[in-house]
Amino acid sequence: GEDVEQSLFLSVREGDSSVINCTYTDSSSTYLYWYKQEPGAGLQLLTYIFSNMDMKQDQRLTVLLNKKDKHLSLRIADTQTGDSAIYFCAESHAPISGNTGKLIFGQGTTLQVKP
Amino acid sequence: NAGVTQTPKFQVLKTGQSMTLQCAQDMNHEYMSWYRQDPGMGLRLIHYSVGAGITDQGEVPNGYNVSRSTTEDFPLRLLSAAPSQTSVYFCASSYSGVARNEQFFGPGTRLTVL
Repeated sequence: GEDVEQSLFLSVREGDSSVINCTYTDSSSTYLYWYKQEPGAGLQLLTYIFSNMDMKQDQRLTVLLNKKDKHLSLRIADTQTGDSAIYFCAESHAPISGNTGKLIFGQGTTLQVKP
Repeated sequence: NAGVTQTPKFQVLKTGQSMTLQCAQDMNHEYMSWYRQDPGMGLRLIHYSVGAGITDQGEVPNGYNVSRSTTEDFPLRLLSAAPSQTSVYFCASSYSGVARNEQFFGPGTRLTVL
């Protein structure tokens, strides 16, 4: 079945880059997502990448996709204390024609940013 | 727009009690989902719906019922609460008209079953 795996914890110093990794098993995934959850809140979509891309950059965020190895990463440049949160990788195995409304999430990586 | 709203924010139940977690969205989204979040396990899909009158099971449906009589509302019913259902529950909705599945989440309901 579908499975998405992440490491559970990452600690970095303010100003450093953070790299959060994710692996997934469903090779038919069309979109892969990164969601952010701040303490006591729901999840918010941070960024996403379509499966025919290998990189996407959005300000301080860079998403890399290695489809052959089914590996996704999120790099946050110049990490700030406000970036401290849980980051979830997710995949949707919807066909190209449309989405099914179903997402499979990883366990979440807690990012701790030390001043 | 209020987005996705959930009530209550907190709830304590005794084993065997039943209750309904409410979820509503005002974005006219066709898709709605319920997840539970447990430490170290991420979000697991309980049930989801692709439109009014249509529901389907997710990864962990046992002990939960859903119905979707309107586009706006998607309540989650716990039939006979068990301590294993202690969790944070999130409702989400998304628009079906694009391939990209951006889900909008409610603030969550924190449930404790004693």
